[in-house]
Amino acid sequence: DTGVSQDPRHKITKRGQNVTFRCDPISEHNRLYWYRQTLGQGPEFLTYFQNEAQLEKSRLLSDRFSAERPKGSFSTLEIQRTEQGDSAMYLCASSHGTYNEQFFGPGTRLTVL
Amino acid sequence: KQEVTQIPAALSVPEGENLVLNCSFTDSAIYNLQWFRQDPGKGLTSLLLIQSSQREQTSGRLNASLDKSSGRSTLYIAASQPGDSATYLCAADYNNNDMRFGAGTRLTVKP
Repeated sequence: DTGVSQDPRHKITKRGQNVTFRCDPISEHNRLYWYRQTLGQGPEFLTYFQNEAQLEKSRLLSDRFSAERPKGSFSTLEIQRTEQGDSAMYLCASSHGTYNEQFFGPGTRLTVL
Repeated sequence: KQEVTQIPAALSVPEGENLVLNCSFTDSAIYNLQWFRQDPGKGLTSLLLIQSSQREQTSGRLNASLDKSSGRSTLYIAASQPGDSATYLCAADYNNNDMRFGAGTRLTVKP
């Protein structure tokens, strides 16, 4: 399967702990996006990479959040000192080409106790 | 402010019915508009992408239209089936990297 993959699929953590999520995009897709989705809402943009360069970050991405895409392939999203409000589904998407059709992974569901 | 709205929030129809889902966006300067399907607890599956220069796209029983001047897109589903039950999300892409999502329409197709 050559779709977008995310790991882990589920993460339960205690408030104050750090967590890291991984996203593997479709190979050769040069763009990679992170979104956050809470129950009953559409995804909200967090950040975007073109190759290894992080080109845009949402105001939703506080100082506790950091994302990397070191070799322009997979990406990681780290949340430090997690808070209960961080509980959400974290979605990764990738795209390429002129029209930016985005393909999503299955998501990582984070629960902060 | 660039906002995307989907109405209705939920829709229940009997199997076999044709239906239309609505999406409106406040800024007509979109790059493209994409429709997605999301099953409970899952990621998003891309259904159709309409470029800003296009009026509609079709895939099987699905047809999506785009009217930039009125800030609207519709997703038409023909001969609905229980397997079509899911949440349908539209997303307007601004500047080729700024995608704004609606909250979705939760569709239930009853056998």
